[in-house]
Amino acid sequence: DAMVIQNPRYQVTQFGKPVTLSCSQTLNHNVMYWYQQKSSQAPKLLFHYYDKDFNNEADTPDNFQSRRPNTSFCFLDIRSPGLGDAAMYLCATANVGGQFFGQGTRLTVV
Amino acid sequence: GESVGLHLPTLSVQEGDNSIINCAYSNSASDYFIWYKQESGKGPQFIIDIRSNMDKRQGQRVTVLLNKTVKHLSLQIAATQPGDSAVYFCAEGRSNDYKLSFGAGTTVTVRA
Repeated sequence: DAMVIQNPRYQVTQFGKPVTLSCSQTLNHNVMYWYQQKSSQAPKLLFHYYDKDFNNEADTPDNFQSRRPNTSFCFLDIRSPGLGDAAMYLCATANVGGQFFGQGTRLTVV
Repeated sequence: GESVGLHLPTLSVQEGDNSIINCAYSNSASDYFIWYKQESGKGPQFIIDIRSNMDKRQGQRVTVLLNKTVKHLSLQIAATQPGDSAVYFCAEGRSNDYKLSFGAGTTVTVRA
């Protein structure tokens, strides 16, 4: 059974049109992450939450925002997607046993 | 900045042979290491982890070796199968920090 669930698996959005990607977890982990992964590259951390404490990476563009309304859910908002934001977006959760990833959302910007 | 890197971007292996995937890390403060497998179009899948108080850890068909002296990590896959074809990432972190740094990845292709 999936423990970190991302919806949708594929998302197509228009250039400049706000888009939200969703992540939910059934593991009750305190920590949740959003990564961006472009083809053949390693995942790049955008930000993470420890409970409600938000931690932004220094090089994450302002165009990317996040919300975590409760332990189970976390959202990635891209305010004005550009062509360069087309990528796989990965959500992960963590406890002392390691980080566990969802299946990702493939974002296409047209 | 400090990062984790893999020695080879690609590895081709005959089905049934053993595979060895290597990773070098530079952050001497790292005390936790993970190997992930990522199949095309999917998220990274946790394979095995090791903490810095260990040199070796075994799982089902996989073994991770850690050499802290030379900051080297390896993943050995026994009797490689077609389903092992994927990109493999090593990642390193610290116990007091929930963030991981990922290496560049090695693409493993299994030949029938």
